[in-house]
Amino acid sequence: QSALTQPRSVSGSPGQSVTVSCTGTSSDVGGYNYVSWYQQHPDKAPKLMIYDVSKRPSGVPDRFSGSKSGNTASLTISGLQAEDEADYYCCSYADTTLFGVGTKLTVL
Amino acid sequence: EVYLVESGGGLVQPGRSLRLSCAASGFRFDDYAMHWVRQAPGKGLEWVSCISWNSNNIDYADSVKGRFTISRDDAKNSLYLQMNSLRAEDTALYYCAKDFFLYGPGSLPDSWGQGTLVTVSS
Repeated sequence: QSALTQPRSVSGSPGQSVTVSCTGTSSDVGGYNYVSWYQQHPDKAPKLMIYDVSKRPSGVPDRFSGSKSGNTASLTISGLQAEDEADYYCCSYADTTLFGVGTKLTVL
Repeated sequence: EVYLVESGGGLVQPGRSLRLSCAASGFRFDDYAMHWVRQAPGKGLEWVSCISWNSNNIDYADSVKGRFTISRDDAKNSLYLQMNSLRAEDTALYYCAKDFFLYGPGSLPDSWGQGTLVTVSS
């Protein structure tokens, strides 16, 4: 299976909102509500931020939210902060576990 | 707190074998599925394999199927990845990860270790 499609980079200023998209197919993203998002800072392990499309694990700020429409899932970060600058990966975990190519978020 | 420590990485020649280990603590190891996920230098995440909490469900990425074998030893709270017939494209940081769901088949990596680096080169 090919990796899920994400924009290579997005950017925003502190306080703004940014959205990262993740496009798959009806066999993965579009077929099930099994989409998650990970945040990875440089030289750090990934951290689970969203699961089941829109649920947040304990401890994740509510500035992070997820949604899905058709074959595209989205991660929205509101009230952007400097520490949000990181790589973000979507993941579909329906039939098998499949990651997106990753998006670098730059906080201007 | 979940604590995962990978070991066993290193420099290995193409075609040779390597066995990775992951020592787990801070949770009931035998209640959770476990994953291996890798990340090539400067690249994205690639799921490699998972094993269910009771070892009944095991799955592999197509890129490693037939070459890698995942296993677990619940008595030792440890996860393993036996890697045979290694190729240059297997060069990556290998992460061990606990599954999010209790008694799950293995679907969603949750807590991750810091990884162990495998370099395949002559």
